[in-house]
Amino acid sequence: DQQVKQNSPSLSVQEGRISILNCDYTNSMFDYFLWYKKYPAEGPTFLISISSIKDKNEDGRFTVFLNKSAKHLSLHIVPSQPGDSAVYFCAASAFDNAGNMLTFGGGTRLMVKP
Amino acid sequence: EADIYQTPRYLVIGTGKKITLECSQTMGHDKMYWYQQDPGMELHLIHYSYGVNSTEKGDLSSESTVSRIRTEHFPLTLESARPSHTSQYLCASSDSGATDTQYFGPGTRLTVL
Repeated sequence: DQQVKQNSPSLSVQEGRISILNCDYTNSMFDYFLWYKKYPAEGPTFLISISSIKDKNEDGRFTVFLNKSAKHLSLHIVPSQPGDSAVYFCAASAFDNAGNMLTFGGGTRLMVKP
Repeated sequence: EADIYQTPRYLVIGTGKKITLECSQTMGHDKMYWYQQDPGMELHLIHYSYGVNSTEKGDLSSESTVSRIRTEHFPLTLESARPSHTSQYLCASSDSGATDTQYFGPGTRLTVL
């Protein structure tokens, strides 16, 4: 049972426009959410995170929105740049006896066209 | 941002060979992790460690083993490589803080012929 889902395997956006990547989760115990960016043959790079006590967190061109009632989060990139082309993973964690283990979604491949 | 290193970056090896994938971090993080990722798929946790002499198996069953003798070092070993082990192996570490944000190394792309 996949607890974190990214239903769009790919997204194509024109340079300068907004990119919106979506993520849904099912575990109501998740209290911390992260977005990672991954280039081929490289490890994921941490982008931005949000705690469940917030509904928005912004860092430069990247903004993450959290809708707890809908169990949905999204990453907005504006303006999109060709260098943003990568696979984006959302991840969620819930503190338990094992600590904060991350559960990852399947990823969305973003292509930003010049 | 954590400094975390993995070697080798790429490895092509024959069936039956023993291999060790190295992972080191210089941030003094207590927790370290190994993930396996196939192209287009999600990351699967195969091993993790809370600290020295602590190792646990992750969600995905793996024939690999790990050790944690030093805080900064978390090597992964395959005693007898098989083609089914072909994958990308990602190492990560995190501090024991409230959020446990994980920072990843560059990965090792393993191909077993």
